[in-house]
Amino acid sequence: GAVVSQHPSRVICKSGTSVKIECRSLDFQATTMFWYRQFPKQSLMLMATSNEGSKATYEQGVEKDKFLINHASLTLSTLTVTSAHPEDSSFYICSARDGVSGEKLFFGSGTQLSVL
Amino acid sequence: SQQGEEDPQALSIQEGENATMNCSYKTSINNLQWYRQNSGRGLVHLILIRSNEREKHSGRLRVTLDTSKKSSSLLITASRAADTASYFCATDGDQAGTALIFGKGTTLSVSS
Repeated sequence: GAVVSQHPSRVICKSGTSVKIECRSLDFQATTMFWYRQFPKQSLMLMATSNEGSKATYEQGVEKDKFLINHASLTLSTLTVTSAHPEDSSFYICSARDGVSGEKLFFGSGTQLSVL
Repeated sequence: SQQGEEDPQALSIQEGENATMNCSYKTSINNLQWYRQNSGRGLVHLILIRSNEREKHSGRLRVTLDTSKKSSSLLITASRAADTASYFCATDGDQAGTALIFGKGTTLSVSS
């Protein structure tokens, strides 16, 4: 099956620093990738839809200047949490469809961000 | 945004018992999927049921879908301690290529 690789799996950083999370589709091309955030004991909340070669589409309430998304190639999307603060501490997880209308979403293994 | 509710929020059972989780959603869908998540880990896809299907089986899993009630259920039969995890339903819209929207999830604890 399709594989989505996400790195890093865990990051601890100081408040005010920026953190970049990478999401790669390893054996398929992903024109669209999705970024989710999950707080402890809660569900996954869609943050944004990342489109290759164009600007990301952000969900209501998600600051685009805070969470920078770049989808420069068909196999790589990055999420940069800029000037991270403790309230940004969360589990971030990316996903991608195999093809434009593939039914299944394949998920990365997630990144646990802890901001001190 | 979140699609809907799952109930129960938490479920504790003994090994060998069956576990039933329910999910409701709000909008029209193309399909509904169930995922499993172990604590602090990524998601594992369990089963997909299309909007024109009413029931689907996969091993010890049985999923039903009632589009008139906008609800689905996941039944895990003969549960094992290893089934302990959170279970989420997720729906996509009726347009191709949209993101999955997840329910709030059910936390299942199976004790031996």
